[in-house]
Amino acid sequence: GDSVTQMEGPVTLSEEAFLTINCTYTATGYPSLFWYVQYPGEGLQLLLKATKADDKGSNKGFEATYRKETTSFHLEKGSVQVSDSAVYFCALSDRGGGYQKVTFGIGTKLQVIP
Amino acid sequence: GAVVSQHPSRVICKSGTSVKIECRSLDFQATTMFWYRQFPKKSLMLMATSNEGSKATYEQGVEKDKFLINHASLTLSTLTVTSAHPEDSSFYICSAREATGGNQPQHFGDGTRLSIL
Repeated sequence: GDSVTQMEGPVTLSEEAFLTINCTYTATGYPSLFWYVQYPGEGLQLLLKATKADDKGSNKGFEATYRKETTSFHLEKGSVQVSDSAVYFCALSDRGGGYQKVTFGIGTKLQVIP
Repeated sequence: GAVVSQHPSRVICKSGTSVKIECRSLDFQATTMFWYRQFPKKSLMLMATSNEGSKATYEQGVEKDKFLINHASLTLSTLTVTSAHPEDSSFYICSAREATGGNQPQHFGDGTRLSIL
């Protein structure tokens, strides 16, 4: 079945540091890939997405590139801010399943200190 | 952008009480909504898929009689936790996909923190 693997964290960085959160996946079909962010006490917000190989999703300074050859979708940001502190979930939905189900990674907690 | 409203945001009640959580898509129609449960420091676990006008599809291990789902319209799905017990305490999150076909991302509500005393 489909699965998503990401580093559990927490990841602690100083403000303006470079961020990488690794995500790899396994899927039976041709998945679309997503990064969601969850701020404390809130639901999930879609951060960015990519629907096919070599696509780059970007939003709010975050980027992730759909790498089919390495089955990866690593999240990066060049300079993090304290306001980026949250839990980040890598996820996929599989075309084979009509994109109905979303499979989530375990979530990576990011803490940015001033 | 697409907005999903979930209500209430927090519930504290006694053991044995039934609790209803509402999930509304505010500016789009959703033929399918999803209910997740999130345990502390864990990822989201899909509980069931709610289909407008038909029965919900439950994931393996989720009790249908315990977690009643009703999807009466294209903008509203409800989850009722019947006879709740302390082990049902959790963070419940709903999501919805726009009924436009194709690969639309899911939009999430802000979640409901359920605490059973």
